[in-house]
Amino acid sequence: GENVEQHPSTLSVQEGDSAVIKCTYSDSASNYFPWYKQELGKRPQLIIDIRSNVGEKKDQRIAVTLNKTAKHFSLHITETQPEDSAVYFCAAAKENFVFGPGTRLSVLP
Amino acid sequence: NAGVTQTPKFQVLKTGQSMTLQCAQDMNHEYMSWYRQDPGMGLRLIHYSVGAGITDQGEVPNGYNVSRSTTEDFPLRLLSAAPSQTSVYFCASSYWGAASGGETQYFGPGTRLLVL
Repeated sequence: GENVEQHPSTLSVQEGDSAVIKCTYSDSASNYFPWYKQELGKRPQLIIDIRSNVGEKKDQRIAVTLNKTAKHFSLHITETQPEDSAVYFCAAAKENFVFGPGTRLSVLP
Repeated sequence: NAGVTQTPKFQVLKTGQSMTLQCAQDMNHEYMSWYRQDPGMGLRLIHYSVGAGITDQGEVPNGYNVSRSTTEDFPLRLLSAAPSQTSVYFCASSYWGAASGGETQYFGPGTRLLVL
């Protein structure tokens, strides 16, 4: 079955710097890659997603890139703010959603 | 729309007790699923359903039962709770084919379960 790895497990950046989180997946048939943000004690919420026929997608300070050949995709957050501090999960989807283990992002003021 | 709702928010059980975690959605979604979330392990799929009367196992189904008698409800049953089932449980729903069709799923607020 699908296996999703995510790195790093923790990431600390200074406010205003960029943050990059990377995920790899094993099943080349996966064709949808969402990213979720989870604040402490809350439910995961979708922040951006990308389909397999697209290489890059951007939404204000957040962007996602996908390399289907290498089977990896990345989340890029620019101009980080303290409210970006949370746990971020990537997922790869075909019939079901398979999640990475998460990255705890801390944005230091 | 209430979206996806879950009850209870928090529950303490003793080993061997049984209980049912409730999940309901009002978006007419065909696909519903249960995940457990443990530190450092992301969200792992327990069971899922693609419509009323149809359920299937996910990655970690042992110790859990589900049923889907209506489109709206998807309860998760713990038959004999064990400390290893201490976790946060999330229910989620989406349109059928969302995973392959590139549409997200919507999560409930979660149930925090502690088994002593």
